Amino acid sequence: AQTVTQSQPEMSVQEAETVTLSCTYDTSESDYYLFWYKQPPSRQMILVIRQEAYKQQNATENRFSVNFQKAAKSFSLKISDSQLGDAAMYFCALYDSFGNEKLTFGTGTRLTIIP
Amino acid sequence: NAGVTQTPKFRILKIGQSMTLQCTQDMNHNYMYWYRQDPGMGLKLIYYSVGAGITDKGEVPNGYNVSRSTTEDFPLRLELAAPSQTSVYFCASSQTGREQFFGPGTRLTVL
Repeated sequence: AQTVTQSQPEMSVQEAETVTLSCTYDTSESDYYLFWYKQPPSRQMILVIRQEAYKQQNATENRFSVNFQKAAKSFSLKISDSQLGDAAMYFCALYDSFGNEKLTFGTGTRLTIIP
Repeated sequence: NAGVTQTPKFRILKIGQSMTLQCTQDMNHNYMYWYRQDPGMGLKLIYYSVGAGITDKGEVPNGYNVSRSTTEDFPLRLELAAPSQTSVYFCASSQTGREQFFGPGTRLTVL
């Protein structure tokens, strides 16, 4: 069975600084996808970034980038130049084709931005 | 483009009542999902569908039922509501099953 672990329930960062959120996962499959979702106070789940396991290059979306360490089964999210609008819960999620075609979510990290 | 819409946004039920949470997507996605999110937790899959007429159980299906008669709609039925079903419910859709797009959620309280 797939598992996703986010060991940091809460993180905080000064505005304009950089913060890294950690995620580890476990799957026996070689074909899988990893995602970071953002959930602001509005409750809407917003896809931030995705990574295909077969791609060695780390995904980047503007100020958001990942550090994908396949052998270590680690998938961290780096947010550069943090902004007040980045304050949210961040969920790491794993999809593999043999996991009942579903996303497995971690328990989330609450990110606070300090002005 | 509305994406995934859910109704209602909020609902309070009494124990034993029933209700249907509505979900509609306009992206012509084959895959649709229902999740619940309990306080301080991630999302857990209740039911999913890979196309019209096809549904399957997820991780926490007890107390719920679904149907998928059209590509666009995927309603979730709660029968005999219990306090343990107090949660936020999210519907999602996907073209491939991987990248999922979520609705705004329904906050349900059972008293």
